[in-house]
Amino acid sequence: GAVVSQHPSWVICKSGTSVKIECRSLDFQATTMFWYRQFPKQSLMLMATSNEGSKATYEQGVEKDKFLINHASLTLSTLTVTSAHPEDSSFYICSAPDRGSMSSPQHFGDGTRLSIL
Amino acid sequence: KNEVEQSPQNLTAQEGEFITINCSYSVGISALHWLQQHPGGGIVSLFMLSSGKKKHGRLIATINIQEKHSSLHITASHPRDSAVYICAVITDKLIFGTGTRLQVFP
Repeated sequence: GAVVSQHPSWVICKSGTSVKIECRSLDFQATTMFWYRQFPKQSLMLMATSNEGSKATYEQGVEKDKFLINHASLTLSTLTVTSAHPEDSSFYICSAPDRGSMSSPQHFGDGTRLSIL
Repeated sequence: KNEVEQSPQNLTAQEGEFITINCSYSVGISALHWLQQHPGGGIVSLFMLSSGKKKHGRLIATINIQEKHSSLHITASHPRDSAVYICAVITDKLIFGTGTRLQVFP
């Protein structure tokens, strides 16, 4: 079945570092990619929606200059956490709907656990 | 109040028991996902349904659009079913429930 590959799976880095997370659709074209954040024992919260070739749409309260999203191709979307601080430590996960439509199945990456020291 | 509510939040069962997890929502939706999240964090979509009932192996999902309610049933539960089960409704985006943490003991 369709797969979304997310890398890296785990990152530990110093405060002030920028971290890039990649989500790649392996056998389908991901015209839309959703980026989520999950704190321990909480549900997923949508951060932003990226669409291939256009600017990402950010949810209220999410700093677009802090969380840079690029969706330059139909198979790759990236999230860069710029100048990361300990409060950015979280689990980040992406998903893409099959065939670009919300009425089609969603495929999730395996997530990236980010720890900022 | 959350737009998507799940119950129970935590569930413990003995192997072989029949499990039911409930999801109620307050928004108009086009469909609903039941997702499974394992301890490592990875998420798998179990079902996407917009009406009626779907069955896959020991898992059954039902939805009542008029009542804005869905249930996930696990028959003959097994320790490998231990995970967090999440209901997510589809509007123009996914809205997630808070999840149900299931532990099945041998």
